[in-house]
Amino acid sequence: DTAVSQTPKYLVTQMGNDKSIKCEQNLGHDTMYWYKQDSKKFLKIMFSYNNKELIINETVPNRFSPKSPDKAHLNLHINSLELGDSAVYFCASSNDRDFTYEQYFGPGTRLTVT
Amino acid sequence: QQQVKQSPQSLIVQKGGISIINCAYENTAFDYFPWYQQFPGKGPALLIAIRPDVSEKKEGRFTISFNKSAKQFSLHIMDSQPGDSATYFCAASPTGGFKTIFGAGTRLFVKA
Repeated sequence: DTAVSQTPKYLVTQMGNDKSIKCEQNLGHDTMYWYKQDSKKFLKIMFSYNNKELIINETVPNRFSPKSPDKAHLNLHINSLELGDSAVYFCASSNDRDFTYEQYFGPGTRLTVT
Repeated sequence: QQQVKQSPQSLIVQKGGISIINCAYENTAFDYFPWYQQFPGKGPALLIAIRPDVSEKKEGRFTISFNKSAKQFSLHIMDSQPGDSATYFCAASPTGGFKTIFGAGTRLFVKA
């Protein structure tokens, strides 16, 4: 029944490591997103894919690389993790057919880099 | 031009009181204004939304007031309850756009 799911929920790793976060949606939406929420709760869009095509790529370090194998999945790979990458990462999808782009968020992945 | 400014940063309200959160935007291309509610440890979820062709929208205890000329909109929570304690985000989306811009969030605490 979960609409947007993410794995893992928690990720603790050391600086310099490479890690991935997976996201899946079963809502039939065409567009998926990655957001970063910092310690002050500020939500910032990182990437967006529409029908597997990258449409939004905000000013994000090249160490972050999204991959969308199909419309229902959008994964985030992070190379050479840094302390400043510690945050909660949210995957989301949106229903574009009603032109509201209402965001359906996943439960988040809390990344801690030590 | 892409910003959505939200205030206050935090808000404490007594149970039964009215909670008011304000937002302002600059980009006139925005045409959809949602509010999201986020509980600790959860992702944000849509609470209520409005388009600029109406000045007010009410759903239960939640009301959005929209002032197009001033480029401002606000969320009113009537009869605030402890269960309303959460972080609230205003947001704005442009016409035909995928990029939703979020305000900085307001942490609401409703005292019992």
